[in-house]
Amino acid sequence: GAVVSQHPSRVICKSGTSVKIECRSLDFQATTMFWYRQFPKQSLMLMATSNEGSKATYEQGVEKDKFLINHASLTLSTLTVTSAHPEDSSFYICSAITGVNTEAFFGQGTRLTVV
Amino acid sequence: DQQVKQNSPSLSVQEGRISILNCDYTNSMFDYFLWYKKYPAEGPTFLISISSIKDKNEDGRFTVFLNKSAKHLSLHIVPSQPGDSAVYFCAAPGTGNQFYFGTGTSLTVIP
Repeated sequence: GAVVSQHPSRVICKSGTSVKIECRSLDFQATTMFWYRQFPKQSLMLMATSNEGSKATYEQGVEKDKFLINHASLTLSTLTVTSAHPEDSSFYICSAITGVNTEAFFGQGTRLTVV
Repeated sequence: DQQVKQNSPSLSVQEGRISILNCDYTNSMFDYFLWYKKYPAEGPTFLISISSIKDKNEDGRFTVFLNKSAKHLSLHIVPSQPGDSAVYFCAAPGTGNQFYFGTGTSLTVIP
């Protein structure tokens, strides 16, 4: 099946710094990419939806100035957590779809720890 | 508005028995459904899907049933194995480029 690569898999950063997480579709062009956050023992929470070349659509309650999403090409989307705080520590997962009504392929996830 | 719902957050089943995970949806326009399996600290992986033109799809130990009139689908795993212990999400693509997930059911298969 299609492969979505997410990098890094783990990152530890200091409070106040910014962290960038990359999501790449390796063998297909992703018309849309999604970013999710998962807290321990909780469901996937959709943070934002991004279409290539346009601004991301953020879910209610997600700070767009804090979680910057860039979808510069059909194979790459990035999530930058700016001025990270310990409460931003979480597991972040990206997914990508190739079109309408198709399967979503997921990255391996990134464990972010802010100290 | 939660368009895809999984009302059971957890389920425990004895090894060898059947696991039944349920999912309800509210949007009658959904015509394709998927189940994903997720292990801790990993991204979800696709498990099985079903189109709304079918009421059953089987793949090895996994069978998904769809009841369109009830807007309900279920995933059956038989026989359940300890390696099946994971969180299972049902999902449905919406119109445009939206993708709706249920809240997940954590399955524990007891050896």
